[in-house]
Amino acid sequence: GAGVSQSPSNKVTEKGKDVELRCDPISGHTALYWYRQSLGQGLEFLIYFQGNSAPDKSGLPSDRFSAERTGGSVSTLTIQRTQQEDSAVYLCASSLGYRGVQPQHFGDGTRLSIL
Amino acid sequence: QQQVKQSPQSLIVQKGGISIINCAYENTAFDYFPWYQQFPGKGPALLIAIRPDVSEKKEGRFTISFNKSAKQFSLHIMDSQPGDSATYFCATSGSRLTFGEGTQLTVNP
Repeated sequence: GAGVSQSPSNKVTEKGKDVELRCDPISGHTALYWYRQSLGQGLEFLIYFQGNSAPDKSGLPSDRFSAERTGGSVSTLTIQRTQQEDSAVYLCASSLGYRGVQPQHFGDGTRLSIL
Repeated sequence: QQQVKQSPQSLIVQKGGISIINCAYENTAFDYFPWYQQFPGKGPALLIAIRPDVSEKKEGRFTISFNKSAKQFSLHIMDSQPGDSATYFCATSGSRLTFGEGTQLTVNP
């Protein structure tokens, strides 16, 4: 079946612009996660959504970052007034349920480059 | 902040050799310890996972060894192949997954 889909796969934008990154999770997966991966680095947790519960935003690095999930499915990560340090690969993952015991299925990410 | 310390940062082995990657954690409440494999340009994918009630789990050439008292777990790749060249992440599960910093494995032909 279809996996997690992210778009765009690559995004180049100028410093100060806003960007929106999209994630389509696997159908039926109630949990959705966003991570950031800088070049050669590990996975930095940003935010997760579980069903209709309030999202855990504890990983968002600043108030320029926000995310929403509409209808329990598609999610959008928005970065306002982008900075060069925002350049990274943004990964989305989904799982059948919350808690780490459910395997997370990752998309291939959006590579964001801030000029 | 929950910590997961992974080592080594990079590893080079010859084809047919054994690759060993280690992770150490702090919180004893974790109940699930997965390893993820990531190829360049792709997202991570679950490779193998273990629960703390067992000391070892083997799937093909991949084995997780778990030492609860030492709060350490490791991934062993037997008969390493060039196709195993990737970045490997350990993780621990508390309220959510926390990942190690990754190990870049290169298997030379």
